Amino acid sequence: GIQVEQSPPDLILQEGANSTLRCNFSDSVNNLQWFHQNPWGQLINLFYIPSGTKQNGRLSATTVATERYSLLYISSSQTTDSGVYFCAVERPTSGSRLTFGEGTQLTVNP
Amino acid sequence: DSGVTQTPKHLITATGQRVTLRCSPRSGDLSVYWYQQSLDQGLQFLIQYYNGEERAKGNILERFSAQQFPDLHSELNLSSLELGDSALYFCASSAWDTTYEQYFGPGTRLTVT
Repeated sequence: GIQVEQSPPDLILQEGANSTLRCNFSDSVNNLQWFHQNPWGQLINLFYIPSGTKQNGRLSATTVATERYSLLYISSSQTTDSGVYFCAVERPTSGSRLTFGEGTQLTVNP
Repeated sequence: DSGVTQTPKHLITATGQRVTLRCSPRSGDLSVYWYQQSLDQGLQFLIQYYNGEERAKGNILERFSAQQFPDLHSELNLSSLELGDSALYFCASSAWDTTYEQYFGPGTRLTVT
């Protein structure tokens, strides 16, 4: 099956700092989503971004499908950004299942 | 709030028992997915239903089964529970069958003692 690798596995920031999270995938995809899992366990949709660039407030994402990677940018981080960030992909031949990476654990300190 | 609802939020039960988890998709969504999140396996796809029919199967144990009803809500049945079944179970929904954004419910945390 498709491999999804996220880096770094852990990231500790001071409030106000910027960060870049990376997601590499091993095969072509027709769906890529970024999620934030908050400390209560809820998975929150951040971006649906199989290709191109999108921005939503302090967050933005870029997927370069031809090179099989996606980046999530967090600017001016806040303590509420803490949690685990997951990248998930769907292959054209695998039906609708999302395959998740192992996530990046982000801690933002005040 | 994603619009996907799951009940119950928490469930504590003993080994060997059977439980049913329930999910209501977002209004208008036809596809329902079940995922399991455990410490050792991460987030894994279990099964998908589309408009009442099973569409795709992942790493779902034979002790587990699911169905989607005419009103599009879905239930995941877990039987002969083992300690290793303790996990967070998510339901997700999307508008159609494939290549559409999936929205996740708040999850059901199952603890098997």
